[in-house]
Amino acid sequence: QQQVKQSPQSLIVQKGGISIINCAYENTAFDYFPWYQQFPGKGPALLIAIRPDVSEKKEGRFTISFNKSAKQFSLHIMDSQPGDSATYFCAATLNAGNNRKLIWGLGTSLAVNP
Amino acid sequence: KAGVTQTPRYLIKTRGQQVTLSCSPISGHRSVSWYQQTPGQGLQFLFEYFSETQRNKGNFPGRFSGRQFSNSRSEMNVSTLELGDSALYLCASSLDPGTSEKLFFGSGTQLSVL
Repeated sequence: QQQVKQSPQSLIVQKGGISIINCAYENTAFDYFPWYQQFPGKGPALLIAIRPDVSEKKEGRFTISFNKSAKQFSLHIMDSQPGDSATYFCAATLNAGNNRKLIWGLGTSLAVNP
Repeated sequence: KAGVTQTPRYLIKTRGQQVTLSCSPISGHRSVSWYQQTPGQGLQFLFEYFSETQRNKGNFPGRFSGRQFSNSRSEMNVSTLELGDSALYLCASSLDPGTSEKLFFGSGTQLSVL
């Protein structure tokens, strides 16, 4: 019940296209849903995040869509660029009092062809 | 402000040896988490330290241990290395585990066990 299932495992998109990565969860106690971006040789970096009281959040070309009833959230990258080629991780945070637990998806390797 | 610093960047060890990895968090950050990253397994949580105390622990054997010093720097130790311990070990810092949800990752230590 504490899993976050991420799909697809890998994705190839043409430059200018839309990249879509999906995540699903079961535990309704999750209250924060971040996406992290990781380039080769680097650690993950927070890209964008959303809370379940909002259905969509947009930052530049990156948008999170959140469907609370379906317990799903997705990352959309508009006008995808070769520089977006990276591994993307979704995650969900479970807060228990003063203790935070972050549950990670397994990642999606995105390649944007020029 | 300097980011999270992990040393060494690369490490090669043989089975049965032990290894110590170091992490210096961002100045002012008091919480440090450690993750193991392997292809196909994503980010596996090892443990989290705050104020020199282990707050959370993942499902790893006792060969994996860690500690945090009074200046928030952290070390993790793996004893009796096994081939399966080959991975990228990531350290992440945050202001406080109870209130901060943004993790800042270092570039990791790539451990190879031969």
